[in-house]
Amino acid sequence: QKEVEQNSGPLSVPEGAIASLNCTYSDRGSQSFFWYRQYSGKSPELIMSIYSNGDKEDGRFTAQLNKASQYVSLLIRDSQPSDSATYLCAVNSGGGSYIPTFGRGTSLIVHP
Amino acid sequence: GAGVSQSPRYKVAKRGQDVALRCDPISGHVSLFWYQQALGQGPEFLTYFQNEAQLDKSGLPSDRFFAERPEGSVSTLKIQRTQQEDSAVYLCASSLATGGTYGYTFGSGTRLTVV
Repeated sequence: QKEVEQNSGPLSVPEGAIASLNCTYSDRGSQSFFWYRQYSGKSPELIMSIYSNGDKEDGRFTAQLNKASQYVSLLIRDSQPSDSATYLCAVNSGGGSYIPTFGRGTSLIVHP
Repeated sequence: GAGVSQSPRYKVAKRGQDVALRCDPISGHVSLFWYQQALGQGPEFLTYFQNEAQLDKSGLPSDRFFAERPEGSVSTLKIQRTQQEDSAVYLCASSLATGGTYGYTFGSGTRLTVV
């Protein structure tokens, strides 16, 4: 059973702070990692993907991957109230499996 | 089209009724996925198509669930004899690449309520 674990939160941060969202996964052979943002009542939207160890930056977002620790994180710098949403971690295992497994998501609240 | 289109947006079905949910993926997208999302949970995989071929249906919860994509574009998810536990948002996603290797684009979803 491939598992992707996230703290459901809510994680509450003040506007302008760094929000740190974490995800662990069970399948050591996993190869592709994604972060989706889902606003209440809306569908998930892909915001970051990462495939190799280290950091990947895109604007205010940084994804961090540590395969040895089976850990992937998303940092949001200069958090804005508009970042308030649920952030879903998705992990795609290797071995010919094309189907990402999603975590249950972490609710982020950025308060003014 | 510009995005993944799903219809209807909302569906209320009486228990025991059959329903059909439609997904129109982004034009040219090879891969199409159906997910089920219960309240407060992440999306749960149902089935995957590559063009018209259904390559994985391991997530379909029972034989009441059936999906097709006969011409490799529009897909329909059918649920027979709906039950209350089928109430959820059904999400369709499509990808230009094979499988979910590079992530994908979701449609707006169909919220199914079985009463």
